Amino acid sequence: GDSVTQMEGPVTLSEEAFLTINCTYTATGYPSLFWYVQYPGEGLQLLLKATKADDKGSNKGFEATYRKETTSFHLEKGSVQVSDSAVYFCALTRNTGGFKTIFGAGTRLFVKA
Amino acid sequence: GAVVSQHPSRVICKSGTSVKIECRSLDFQATTMFWYRQFPKQSLMLMATSNEGSKATYEQGVEKDKFLINHASLTLSTLTVTSAHPEDSSFYICSAAPATEAFFGQGTRLTVV
Repeated sequence: GDSVTQMEGPVTLSEEAFLTINCTYTATGYPSLFWYVQYPGEGLQLLLKATKADDKGSNKGFEATYRKETTSFHLEKGSVQVSDSAVYFCALTRNTGGFKTIFGAGTRLFVKA
Repeated sequence: GAVVSQHPSRVICKSGTSVKIECRSLDFQATTMFWYRQFPKQSLMLMATSNEGSKATYEQGVEKDKFLINHASLTLSTLTVTSAHPEDSSFYICSAAPATEAFFGQGTRLTVV
């Protein structure tokens, strides 16, 4: 079945460091791919998305490119801030046999000042 | 983007009582809504799919008599945790998907004492 695998955390970085959180997926058909961010005690906020191969989603300095050949959607940011500390979830949605969102396990990011 | 509103954000109840959580789609109609449960430091676990005008579809292992779902209108789904016990304490999140993207409520932190 469909699945999403993302790198285990926690990831600890210093401010202004480069961030990569790896995400790979397994799916039939052509899913849409998403990154969500969850701050402590809050729900999920959409960070960025890509709906087809080679699309690049970007928001707030974060980027991810839908790579069909490697079935990946890695999240990157060139210079992280303390305020980026949160849990990041990679997810895919499919709409065959009913709409469904499949989440990765989440990666906790700590950014130190 | 579409807005999903969830209420309350936090609730504390005594063991044996029931708690109702509301999920509303504010600017679109949602024939289907989803209820998730999130344990500390874990990903979201789909509990059930709420279908307007018909019975909810529960995931394997979720007690339908414990977690009652009602989807009486195109903009409102409710989750009632019946006869709550401390092990039901968790973070509950709803979502709705007007197209190929899911939008999430703010989540409800339930604490059963």
